[in-house]
Amino acid sequence: AQSVTQLDSQVPVFEEAPVELRCNYSSSVSVYLFWYVQYPNQGLQLLLKYLSGSTLVKGINGFEAEFNKSQTSFHLRKPSVHISDTAEYFCAVSLNDYKLSFGAGTTVTVRA
Amino acid sequence: NAGVTQTPKFQVLKTGQSMTLQCAQDMNHEYMSWYRQDPGMGLRLIHYSVGAGITDQGEVPNGYNVSRSTTEDFPLRLLSAAPSQTSVYFCASQRTPYSNQPQHFGDGTRLSIL
Repeated sequence: AQSVTQLDSQVPVFEEAPVELRCNYSSSVSVYLFWYVQYPNQGLQLLLKYLSGSTLVKGINGFEAEFNKSQTSFHLRKPSVHISDTAEYFCAVSLNDYKLSFGAGTTVTVRA
Repeated sequence: NAGVTQTPKFQVLKTGQSMTLQCAQDMNHEYMSWYRQDPGMGLRLIHYSVGAGITDQGEVPNGYNVSRSTTEDFPLRLLSAAPSQTSVYFCASQRTPYSNQPQHFGDGTRLSIL
């Protein structure tokens, strides 16, 4: 079984500042990794995914994430945030059984 | 493209009532699933289906039933609503039941049980 830990439940950040959202997972086998974003009163949208290959993954809206196998981490970053990035962000892990395990979520609040 | 459509968007029930949350997708996806989202707990899998006629339990199936008579529809039934089922419910679909596929989510049903 795998579990996902998002290390920060709330991240306040000023507009145009960088942001990093931390995600660690526990699994003894290879996994697929995803970041989803949920805007208020909406469903989840895929930001990016890591399946294999390059450990630096680029997603939509200027986000990127880096897979670190030795540290079992998949941290999400954006160099300069906008007000519109205010949302909840979920890290998710999938094994070969196609079921996703989600972290508890990180709420990002961007302030002017 | 409609994607994944959930109805209703909001619902208030009394304890003991039953109801069905509807989910439909128009992408011909094989895999569909239901999650519930509770504060501080992320999304937890209730039931899922890898194709018409095939369903299975997820992490928190108690109190819920599903069926998959067509590829498009995957309704979730609450048999006898309890306050602990107050939550936001999301339906998701995936093109094939392989782990490397992203899931597409509906906008959710916000359910309150009094």
